[in-house]
Amino acid sequence: DAGVIQSPRHEVTEMGQEVTLRCKPISGHDYLFWYRQTMMRGLELLIYFNNNVPIDDSGMPEDRFSAKMPNASFSTLKIQPSEPRDSAVYFCASSIRGQVTGELFFGEGSRLTVL
Amino acid sequence: AQKVTQAQTEISVVEKEDVTLDCVYETRDTTYYLFWYKQPPSGELVFLIRRNSFDEQNEISGRYSWNFQKSTSSFNFTITASQVVDSAVYFCALKAHGSGNTGKLIFGQGTTLQVKP
Repeated sequence: DAGVIQSPRHEVTEMGQEVTLRCKPISGHDYLFWYRQTMMRGLELLIYFNNNVPIDDSGMPEDRFSAKMPNASFSTLKIQPSEPRDSAVYFCASSIRGQVTGELFFGEGSRLTVL
Repeated sequence: AQKVTQAQTEISVVEKEDVTLDCVYETRDTTYYLFWYKQPPSGELVFLIRRNSFDEQNEISGRYSWNFQKSTSSFNFTITASQVVDSAVYFCALKAHGSGNTGKLIFGQGTTLQVKP
């Protein structure tokens, strides 16, 4: 079975540009999470969805960040305009309700560099 | 508040040595789950183990073992006879019952393990 698929794996952009990161969760998983990893702050939860509905976006840094999940197999995280401090690895993860343990399955991450 | 502390930022050992990675957690919930994830140099996060708060039995899986002690709020991870392939960043994580089955995890800062040949 395919795991969580993220694209692009690497993105280099200039300050002020719009960045869109994409995620395809594991089929059948009804929870999707966006995490950000930086050296300074470690792994932070940005937002998560249940059945395509955003449940908790309290981790989204500011209005420049937005996330959508138009259907069960696709989600995007958009940064507009991007800033150098947004440089990080962004992970998407999915899980399935009913799995009591709540194990998350992570994608390989999207490494973003904003110059 | 919920918190996970991995006090060891970096550990370096020589191959075949045993190494223990420490994890201390804080939560007011009586039902919670603890996890360890491995992040090899390739960058992906790989699930290793989970424990629930009602099961303090230690677990062994090959060269890996985990020691869960509620009395000290610790969930330590030991690698026996370490190998170069064990070199990675290891994260301890906590999910309290209040977050249901959503899998919302609170991660520690991670411990970078370097195993030298």
